[in-house]
Amino acid sequence: TQLLEQSPQFLSIQEGENLTVYCNSSSVFSSLQWYRQEPGEGPVLLVTVVTGGEVKKLKRLTFQFGDARKDSSLHITAAQPGDTGLYLCAGARGETSGSRLTFGEGTQLTVNP
Amino acid sequence: NAGVTQTPKFQVLKTGQSMTLQCAQDMNHEYMSWYRQDPGMGLRLIHYSVGAGITDQGEVPNGYNVSRSTTEDFPLRLLSAAPSQTSVYFCASSYYRNSYNEQFFGPGTRLTVL
Repeated sequence: TQLLEQSPQFLSIQEGENLTVYCNSSSVFSSLQWYRQEPGEGPVLLVTVVTGGEVKKLKRLTFQFGDARKDSSLHITAAQPGDTGLYLCAGARGETSGSRLTFGEGTQLTVNP
Repeated sequence: NAGVTQTPKFQVLKTGQSMTLQCAQDMNHEYMSWYRQDPGMGLRLIHYSVGAGITDQGEVPNGYNVSRSTTEDFPLRLLSAAPSQTSVYFCASSYYRNSYNEQFFGPGTRLTVL
């Protein structure tokens, strides 16, 4: 059972378009992270959101944590080919969870020039 | 800093063979983890360690052993490789701040078991 479900699983768009990726769960998380992974490499952390309703912006990327801390979204404005990659959300539950993050299955984004 | 390093980058094994995947970090992180990544399944936690001498099982621990004798190193052992262990393996480390636990990943080891 996947505790964090991402949608869509695959997304192919043209340069300049906007897109939103969703990360949903029935569980409450103390924080949620978004990573981007390029082929042949490990995931790299983009952002961490920790407060219900929190919005963080990273250039053209906007991240939002749901009010109930069960879901999150990633919105990309005017996508560029350099945004191509696998986007992963990961949730942490509780201060005692240590390294136990739960990852979503990922959204493979392709931005065509 | 080199960050998190993993060796080897690629490995092919025959069923029943054993091997050790190496992982090292130079960031003095307390926490280290091993994940496997399979298509459509995201990253699944195999084992983790909260400090030298302390390890615990993750979501998919069967067929794998770990030890943590130093803060820097966290090797993953496959005692008798099976085709189901064909995957990409990532080691990660983290410095626990509040409840963030932000992970730094290594470049991965691509393992094929024939």
